[in-house]
Amino acid sequence: QVTLKESGPVVVKPTGTLTLTCTVSGFSLSDSRLGVSWIRQPPGKALEWLAHIFWNDEKSYNPSLKTRLTISKDTSKSQVVLTMKNMDPLDTGTYFCARTTRMILYYFDFWGRGTLVTVSS
Amino acid sequence: SYELTQPPSVSVSPGQTARITCSGDALPKKYAYWYQQKSGQAPVLVIFEDDKRPSGIPERFSGSTSGTMATLSISGAQVEDEGDYYCYSMDTTLNYWVFGGGTKLTVL
Repeated sequence: QVTLKESGPVVVKPTGTLTLTCTVSGFSLSDSRLGVSWIRQPPGKALEWLAHIFWNDEKSYNPSLKTRLTISKDTSKSQVVLTMKNMDPLDTGTYFCARTTRMILYYFDFWGRGTLVTVSS
Repeated sequence: SYELTQPPSVSVSPGQTARITCSGDALPKKYAYWYQQKSGQAPVLVIFEDDKRPSGIPERFSGSTSGTMATLSISGAQVEDEGDYYCYSMDTTLNYWVFGGGTKLTVL
């Protein structure tokens, strides 16, 4: 059974750094067909892809947020970590991690329940 | 930057066919995927690679494409199908992984 679970702070101060952890089970982060992405959703707004880490540790970032994001993984712990620096109230929202599967293109086939992050002083 | 455009809302009566569109310049060359998101929940994949249905998704959900437009159809829409629907596509070479703006489906 594939599961993903996000964890991290509920509140982050403006200008601070957010660190989120995605703990996965039911698949391996070293599987060449799979990867993990982070996706966020401001309250009442659309989904926005943030970053992806491939099985071989290659990374992709949303170009508009690239300078603020770092994604990494610890395969032995089955964890993927996202850091976002210089947080702003506009970064408030639910942050999801999702497993990506590659058939022709990469897409998100399993999602975590998400974690709500509020940026406030 | 690449964009996928969806109508903000679609409304149908129970039993009617709901159609949600998604337009994007790369869709003739790249697959479209569709996600359903109910209030307070994580998205769920309902269509992949334009027209394939994951196991467990009801047969009333179908997908199609024509030129730069992908369409999600829900035949015989039910009240339980209400929610937000997002199209998605991507290109690893150009590094875009993009969701549409979402469409709120109301069935009443």
